[in-house]
Amino acid sequence: ETGVTQTPRHLVMGMTNKKSLKCEQHLGHNAMYWYKQSAKKPLELMFVYSLEERVENNSVPSRFSPECPNSSHLFLHLHTLQPEDSALYLCASSQVFGTGAWGQPQHFGDGTRLSIL
Amino acid sequence: TQLLEQSPQFLSIQEGENLTVYCNSSSVFSSLQWYRQEPGEGPVLLVTVVTGGEVKKLKRLTFQFGDARKDSSLHITAAQPGDTGLYLCAGAVWEKLTFGTGTRLTIIP
Repeated sequence: ETGVTQTPRHLVMGMTNKKSLKCEQHLGHNAMYWYKQSAKKPLELMFVYSLEERVENNSVPSRFSPECPNSSHLFLHLHTLQPEDSALYLCASSQVFGTGAWGQPQHFGDGTRLSIL
Repeated sequence: TQLLEQSPQFLSIQEGENLTVYCNSSSVFSSLQWYRQEPGEGPVLLVTVVTGGEVKKLKRLTFQFGDARKDSSLHITAAQPGDTGLYLCAGAVWEKLTFGTGTRLTIIP
């Protein structure tokens, strides 16, 4: 398997549930990202991990909790979500992060479509 | 906060026609990327432009970075149904990418 794989592809959950999104990259990259894609809004960066260390947290509510156990895997733990959290959650990876003036190309997974009831 | 406005927001044209999509900002970017996202999939990188005034061609797609590195355009010649998708520009300031508002393109056979 190659590229960036996200599971599940679809998730429906109630506001009191706890669930996790999983992302795995097979590209040997050192940086991984979570993005939120909502209708009518630009792609929003949520979290960045570089070499398994969180380097960016874009004012994301604490009901979203990321975890990066190693450079190939990234999780997004969800609890007590709100209806406005319904969106497509995209994981991405890049070769490195923080090397200067060049934005690293992002390799995206196909996302998890999350619906909050 | 850098904002990237794309226009038009939606575009629906006949197969074989030409089109241009714009990506504008008041901020200067060190580089700019274009992505295409098809339904049910994640965005896929098409090109990165780095130098002000740079033009890159990818088959029927021509990308240009503005001289001041604040804007970019994507021109498609003789559009094909396979060009249908959401086109996203993304500007880089150091290691951070800011994504544009997107242009949803539909090519009618």
